Amino acid sequence: KAGVTQTPRYLIKTRGQQVTLSCSPISGHRSVSWYQQTPGQGLQFLFEYFSETQRNKGNFPGRFSGRQFSNSRSEMNVSTLELGDSALYLCASSKDPGTTNEKLFFGSGTQLSVL
Amino acid sequence: QKEVEQDPGPLSVPEGAIVSLNCTYSNSAFQYFMWYRQYSRKGPELLMYTYSSGNKEDGRFTAQVDKSSKYISLFIRDSQPSDSATYLCAMSAALNDYKLSFGAGTTVTVRA
Repeated sequence: KAGVTQTPRYLIKTRGQQVTLSCSPISGHRSVSWYQQTPGQGLQFLFEYFSETQRNKGNFPGRFSGRQFSNSRSEMNVSTLELGDSALYLCASSKDPGTTNEKLFFGSGTQLSVL
Repeated sequence: QKEVEQDPGPLSVPEGAIVSLNCTYSNSAFQYFMWYRQYSRKGPELLMYTYSSGNKEDGRFTAQVDKSSKYISLFIRDSQPSDSATYLCAMSAALNDYKLSFGAGTTVTVRA
């Protein structure tokens, strides 16, 4: 069974640009969560989507947005990139409904570098 | 102050040693506690999952939770070079809450 797939694996952008990251959850999983990982802050929750609806949101500015499609695949977008947005962006999927957060599976992430 | 505090290390131990990792937290609502292992250039994978206070053992791994002190620990016995990774603690207040609060992670190196 394929795991959580994130594309691209690496991305280099310049300040002011925007970027879109993609996540394909494990087959049959309907919940997708996004996290930002930086050396200083660790993993921070961005948002979670279930059945194409944002169910929960972290404390990030509106430049960070996401969406989920009917096939459960998800994308996140960052507009007007800043140097501080350089990070590893991780996607995690879960089967839901009624599944505990024990059943959360992470992808390998997209490493974004903003120059 | 962060909600979850974890010493980033790094921690270097000889093969066969016991590795001791810990986290403290401030939110008394947390009831579900996790330890993840993350290898370089990979996503985190769940190692241990515990509910409320107490101990849980799985092979060479033991997780302890002391809610009265807001302190959790992970012990790795008979450590192996393959245990070299970053270990992250995480926690949540609800069973089906995917908004986990993570520690910064501790980087562990086990020397052969």
